[in-house]
Amino acid sequence: RKEVEQDPGPFNVPEGATVAFNCTYSNSASQSFFWYRQDCRKEPKLLMSVYSSGNEDGRFTAQLNRASQYISLLIRDSKLSDSATYLCVVAWYSGYALNFGKGTSLLVTP
Amino acid sequence: NAGVTQTPKFRVLKTGQSMTLLCAQDMNHEYMYWYRQDPGMGLRLIHYSVGEGTTAKGEVPDGYNVSRLKKQNFLLGLESAAPSQTSVYFCASNLRTSGGQYQETQYFGPGTRLLVL
Repeated sequence: RKEVEQDPGPFNVPEGATVAFNCTYSNSASQSFFWYRQDCRKEPKLLMSVYSSGNEDGRFTAQLNRASQYISLLIRDSKLSDSATYLCVVAWYSGYALNFGKGTSLLVTP
Repeated sequence: NAGVTQTPKFRVLKTGQSMTLLCAQDMNHEYMYWYRQDPGMGLRLIHYSVGEGTTAKGEVPDGYNVSRLKKQNFLLGLESAAPSQTSVYFCASNLRTSGGQYQETQYFGPGTRLLVL
């Protein structure tokens, strides 16, 4: 069983749309949660950390539900530049052993 | 700062050949990692290091060796390459703060694309 599960997509949305990605994780002892972004043939880059209280960074909102072992990412007012693969990442211990989901592909069209 | 750099960017090997991938970081990070990324598989941890002179196995260590002789460098070796090792290899690093709490954000290098024929 994969530790971190994501819908691979692709999600095709028009510019300006709101899109949501979901992720579930299997280890209830998980401590840290992140969303990374990966552009085609590039390295992953941190988009945002995910906190229990939920957090927002501009057009991006992340939510964590520990009871359901569920993480979400909401993107409002999608831009063409948001087209990428979004990786859900979970860690049990601080500092190492990040567990990556396979990623959700987003394509924003004009 | 250059951040995390990887050498080479691309390499083609024949089955049975050996090679070493070099990762270098100039951020004074304690922790360094090697991942591989395959289509449909996501990123998987090969080996990691929590400090100079230390290494540990990750999820998929077989067929690879690593060394961390200097804090800024983390080397990944393939002694006898196999077609199954065709992949994109990413190195990453992160900082351990003086308070003992780890800063989990991992910074990735640009990747090495390896093709084993």
